[in-house]
Amino acid sequence: QVLLQESGPGLLTPSETLSLTCTVPDDSIRTSYWSWVRQSAGKGLEWIGRVFAGGKSDYNPSLKSRVTMSLDTSKNHFFLTLRSVTAADAAVYYCARVYGSGYDSFYGMDVWGQGTAVIVSS
Amino acid sequence: DIVMTQSPLSLSVTPGEPASISCRSSQSLLHSNGFDYLDWYLLRPGQSPQLLISFGSRRASGVPDRFSGSGSGTDFTLKIGRVEADDVGFYYCMQALQTPTFGGGTKVELK
Repeated sequence: QVLLQESGPGLLTPSETLSLTCTVPDDSIRTSYWSWVRQSAGKGLEWIGRVFAGGKSDYNPSLKSRVTMSLDTSKNHFFLTLRSVTAADAAVYYCARVYGSGYDSFYGMDVWGQGTAVIVSS
Repeated sequence: DIVMTQSPLSLSVTPGEPASISCRSSQSLLHSNGFDYLDWYLLRPGQSPQLLISFGSRRASGVPDRFSGSGSGTDFTLKIGRVEADDVGFYYCMQALQTPTFGGGTKVELK
């Protein structure tokens, strides 16, 4: 069972940039799509986006202007950057592996991290 | 966006009894390849979310056979054959036909 681990700062002030890292325990980072999902009290579960080792990525249109996802296959890490955070971005952030392959469709997630809580407060 | 609507909001079930959760989408989730792009997930407090069902009815690896998914198009159902203590948590449906969106969740607890 692949286990994913999120890491990053738990507390941000408004307007800062959120940077999270997800560690993948094996070389599957090179052959799968990887996603970020968040859960907030106000909006429930929200798909943030996905990224593939080939450099392709897709983002939720509602966040697209502020989000960047990337990978470092040499370290088995993938990353989420969310700029100009507000209180609405406070949530538990999960990284996850996408179970499907192919760029033409979206798919769900079959392996997840335990989540990391992010608070946004001045 | 495709809007996902779940019902009920919460469910209190006697251990050993069945349970059923409904999920409705604002558009058909049937892909041109013949598959419905609908997943079910379980979020237990303090644990990683778990994929239960993909493509409407395909049980994920390691998921007990008391979990089953059915439906097509816009109406889907998750059934738990006999609820156990480990099944307590929040259940979510998610569509992946377009930019993925989740239902509002159903809380399952034991009586």
